[in-house]
Amino acid sequence: DAKTTQPTSMDCAEGRAANLPCNHSTISGNEYVYWYRQIHSQGPQYIIHGLKNNETNEMASLIITEDRKSSTLILPHATLRDTAVYYCIVSSASKIIFGSGTRLSIRP
Amino acid sequence: NAGVTQTPKFQVLKTGQSMTLQCAQDMNHEYMSWYRQDPGMGLRLIHYSVGAGITDQGEVPNGYNVSRSTTEDFPLRLLSAAPSQTSVYFCASRSAASGTDTQYFGPGTRLTVL
Repeated sequence: DAKTTQPTSMDCAEGRAANLPCNHSTISGNEYVYWYRQIHSQGPQYIIHGLKNNETNEMASLIITEDRKSSTLILPHATLRDTAVYYCIVSSASKIIFGSGTRLSIRP
Repeated sequence: NAGVTQTPKFQVLKTGQSMTLQCAQDMNHEYMSWYRQDPGMGLRLIHYSVGAGITDQGEVPNGYNVSRSTTEDFPLRLLSAAPSQTSVYFCASRSAASGTDTQYFGPGTRLTVL
């Protein structure tokens, strides 16, 4: 499975868009990009995933570059409840391996 | 649906004791996994299963056994607990169907080994 690189921490003002980058330069053609988040000590929560095209759901948007070597998770209107650790993962297999993630803090 | 359930929520063991952490899911998911999360760290994959009767090792399998006799259940056994196994353990399940890769996590079991 390809490795990912994310900033250790970021912050964003409430109401603004939070843009979380992820580098996955060794991604293979059949590997998906997944994003999960973990709020405090709860189990991780699935946010979104994609292969090549940009994706959007009720929680977020995922922008994947054309060469698929990096992606950005966008939370369009961040709220205090979006404070969490965000994990970017690439995987094609049955096992999903987490990296260390980005700790996102939303400031009022 | 109850989703993914884990028992117990909390457990304290003495070094050398054995125990089984239980995980069950009612979504008929083929894939199930066990992770551990140490304080301030990310999740590390212990063991996973792609279906009943099939299991494989993850990143940190030593000291743990798993079996998958049914689709619903995926217990994790600690053979001889050590203080280094103090952690929060999360179980997760996922459908194998293409395009439905959402992994659902249980609430976790907080284990302390003295």
